[in-house]
Amino acid sequence: DSGVTQTPKHLITATGQRVTLRCSPRSGDLSVYWYQQSLDQGLQFLIQYYNGEERAKGNILERFSAQQFPDLHSELNLSSLELGDSALYFCASSVTLRSDTQYFGPGTRLTVL
Amino acid sequence: ILNVEQSPQSLHVQEGDSTNFTCSFPSSNFYALHWYRWETAKSPEALFVMTLNGDEKKKGRISATLNTKEGYSYLYIKGSQPEDSATYLCAFREYGNKLVFGAGTILRVKS
Repeated sequence: DSGVTQTPKHLITATGQRVTLRCSPRSGDLSVYWYQQSLDQGLQFLIQYYNGEERAKGNILERFSAQQFPDLHSELNLSSLELGDSALYFCASSVTLRSDTQYFGPGTRLTVL
Repeated sequence: ILNVEQSPQSLHVQEGDSTNFTCSFPSSNFYALHWYRWETAKSPEALFVMTLNGDEKKKGRISATLNTKEGYSYLYIKGSQPEDSATYLCAFREYGNKLVFGAGTILRVKS
């Protein structure tokens, strides 16, 4: 158990819908990362927040957005969902902004039908 | 476009064999190189974070080296065990904070 929690574990929804994935970092970690793993694709970095501010952006679609709240939990919002958005979404946290160890949560499996 | 390449794509070894994988990354704008171990149906687990050219890190039977000037890192596993079977991922971090992962090397260790 890494200490990072993600909810829900599984989510099944329809195309065109909007969902919110939630992540609680380890106690004391200020940085939260979001990743996507689709079928046949490796792990893709989406976005990083540090102490409430967006600090790095990867291959995140415009339909997706994220935020980190004052209590440091983070939410990833996915809207106008398409079949291709079906994937495993991981959240990870670390203490600092850049070069320390990231601890991954168990992931949220999103299925878009 | 940042490109991180890992080789080989997969590896099948016998218990007790030693093995190594390569991660190649851009040699410019380097900030850090991360290695992860990812078992099926689990979350990635951090192995090493390497930041300095010439860095060598060790954790039990697993070790890693880093050459930032030529843009590669090696991961070594000494005396592979069946429980080492996993996908080993490397991730390159540039100064702008962006992280790019390689596709991973799948290791299967037969007993």
